Amino acid sequence: DTEVTQTPKHLVMGMTNKKSLKCEQHMGHRAMYWYKQKAKKPPELMFVYSYEKLSINESVPSRFSPECPNSSLLNLHLHALQPEDSALYLCASSQVRHYNEQFFGPGTRLTVL
Amino acid sequence: DQQVKQNSPSLSVQEGRISILNCDYTNSMFDYFLWYKKYPAEGPTFLISISSIKDKNEDGRFTVFLNKSAKHLSLHIVPSQPGDSAVYFCAASDPGGFKTIFGAGTRLFVKA
Repeated sequence: DTEVTQTPKHLVMGMTNKKSLKCEQHMGHRAMYWYKQKAKKPPELMFVYSYEKLSINESVPSRFSPECPNSSLLNLHLHALQPEDSALYLCASSQVRHYNEQFFGPGTRLTVL
Repeated sequence: DQQVKQNSPSLSVQEGRISILNCDYTNSMFDYFLWYKKYPAEGPTFLISISSIKDKNEDGRFTVFLNKSAKHLSLHIVPSQPGDSAVYFCAASDPGGFKTIFGAGTRLFVKA
């Protein structure tokens, strides 16, 4: 199984809502990543988990709260988002030693109204 | 400040011909470079990579060239096929670990 799955595929939420994005992989990868991608822009790293511990937070606002409950799952909890947070959110995973070669999920298209 | 730049947003090539996608970078600390390919409604998939100790890496129809002095790399696809039509992202990472910086992507159209 070389797949990273993300749910939901699409999400529309209001600025007062609380929602969560979910990412799952069963490749035994112990590094997992959240990226944000706006239209016609490159993916931008948000968070990195290594061995289920947060190792990189790229100064992401606290309205985004990551969680890694086990080695296969990565969540991104969303609260009080702004319309400018609308984007494609990509999850990726990799072996810790080969962090360069990441496997990406299809992304969650988020729209904040 | 974009550390990895792909200056051509799109490229159109005839089937069977060579596709050349270019990428420039500014950070001399980058030591590993990658190309990812992305189809619509899918996440990027790893295509080919090169370490800074090499100047060429080949995998089937795909070859990546690295010119460290010019801080430039390129991806050659020969021969191009319609199924190669996708967005190609150049990416780079430094020895610090975990952080990969992506370019904005080049959309390749291969015409049959």
